[in-house]
Amino acid sequence: SAVISQKPSRDICQRGTSLTIQCQVDSQVTMMFWYRQQPGQSLTLIATANQGSEATYESGFVIDKFPISRPNLTFSTLTVSNMSPEDSSIYLCSVGGTVQGGTQYFGPGTRLTVL
Amino acid sequence: RKEVEQDPGPFNVPEGATVAFNCTYSNSASQSFFWYRQDCRKEPKLLMSVYSSGNEDGRFTAQLNRASQYISLLIRDSKLSDSATYLCVVNRGDYKLSFGAGTTVTVRA
Repeated sequence: SAVISQKPSRDICQRGTSLTIQCQVDSQVTMMFWYRQQPGQSLTLIATANQGSEATYESGFVIDKFPISRPNLTFSTLTVSNMSPEDSSIYLCSVGGTVQGGTQYFGPGTRLTVL
Repeated sequence: RKEVEQDPGPFNVPEGATVAFNCTYSNSASQSFFWYRQDCRKEPKLLMSVYSSGNEDGRFTAQLNRASQYISLLIRDSKLSDSATYLCVVNRGDYKLSFGAGTTVTVRA
């Protein structure tokens, strides 16, 4: 499976600011996804990061709040904009979805705390 | 109704015991199923895929019942290292996954 890294691993941010999270994969992948895991909850899909086109957002998530870039097949960024304490979560990127029945592999996550 | 529902547990078992738990899914069109394991403060990692005929991977056995739309995981001869949260995961059919909230298992010495 691909090796996935995320930066930063954690951050503490002030309300109203924005944070950009990077996801780097060691090989080219077709599908990349961004998830959120709120404290004590399971994973919720935010969006699919599409290379060369706008991301596809799930219900309840909008581009203005979570802009995503996917400039190539190995890299993506997720920005959490105008943060509030409710955005405190772990944000994870994943790759896969097209083989092995749709298996996905996850990056180590970014732990965000908003004060 | 949630797409994937799991008994949250926790299941607290002694070393060497057998522990089993289920999850149910709502979308009858779902085609593939997985169990992921998530350790505290770590990312989810694939434990095993679940096949229609049932499958084993060492001490782990997964079963799928399409008629009743539930998936099970059984862990035999539990080890301390099996302590984790187990996530039931269903492929929605559009390259996307739906996750259950997880079942917490604690194996004690």
